[in-house]
Amino acid sequence: DIQMTQSPSSLSASVGDRVTITCRASQGISNYLAWYQQKPGKVPKLLISAASILQSGVPSRFSGSGSGTDFTLTISSLQPEDVATYYCQKYDRVPRSFGQGTKVEIK
Amino acid sequence: EVQLVEYGGGLVQPGGSLRLSCAASGFTFSDYYISWVRQAPGKGLEWVGFVRSKAYGGSTEYAASVKGRFTISRDDSKSVAYLQMNSLKTEDTAVYYCSREYYYEANDYWGQGTLVTVSS
Repeated sequence: DIQMTQSPSSLSASVGDRVTITCRASQGISNYLAWYQQKPGKVPKLLISAASILQSGVPSRFSGSGSGTDFTLTISSLQPEDVATYYCQKYDRVPRSFGQGTKVEIK
Repeated sequence: EVQLVEYGGGLVQPGGSLRLSCAASGFTFSDYYISWVRQAPGKGLEWVGFVRSKAYGGSTEYAASVKGRFTISRDDSKSVAYLQMNSLKTEDTAVYYCSREYYYEANDYWGQGTLVTVSS
């Protein structure tokens, strides 16, 4: 099975900082990669599909890139409401594995 | 408005069974795969499995951790999907979410989740 590895597992940054989260697949998955945001006590929310397609209503400070095995989620200017855990997920084939998550906090 | 609502969570003893339901509205249920994802307390998201839409055979896929114990099914006439969980273990304790997935697209809508606690 293909493993999904996120880094870092947690980060603390200041409001306005640029934040980058990476997700690496153990084998190529083309662009079948989604990013989800889960705020504390809430349901996961789809932010980005197909590695780089921003979902409707998601602020433009979020962006995704990558293809094959290496992917990136970037928050261009971190806001207080972005405090959450972020997960990547592959959906090229089964199992539809998730990364272990990256917890983002405000410094 | 797209809605997915899970029902049926609760407390069950190890070795017991439980059936979760996922009631959908606001979209053409039969066109979508329905996935189940779980989250143990304080842990990350774990894909459990899905049932394909009838257009793609209506077959099921499962994570290795639940294969042979869990069964996913669907009733398109009622817009409901089910997760039958047998031989439950304490490590199955989690919030269980259902979500919809179009063919080779990401899970765009999720239910609010239902808590399953496996404990004696």
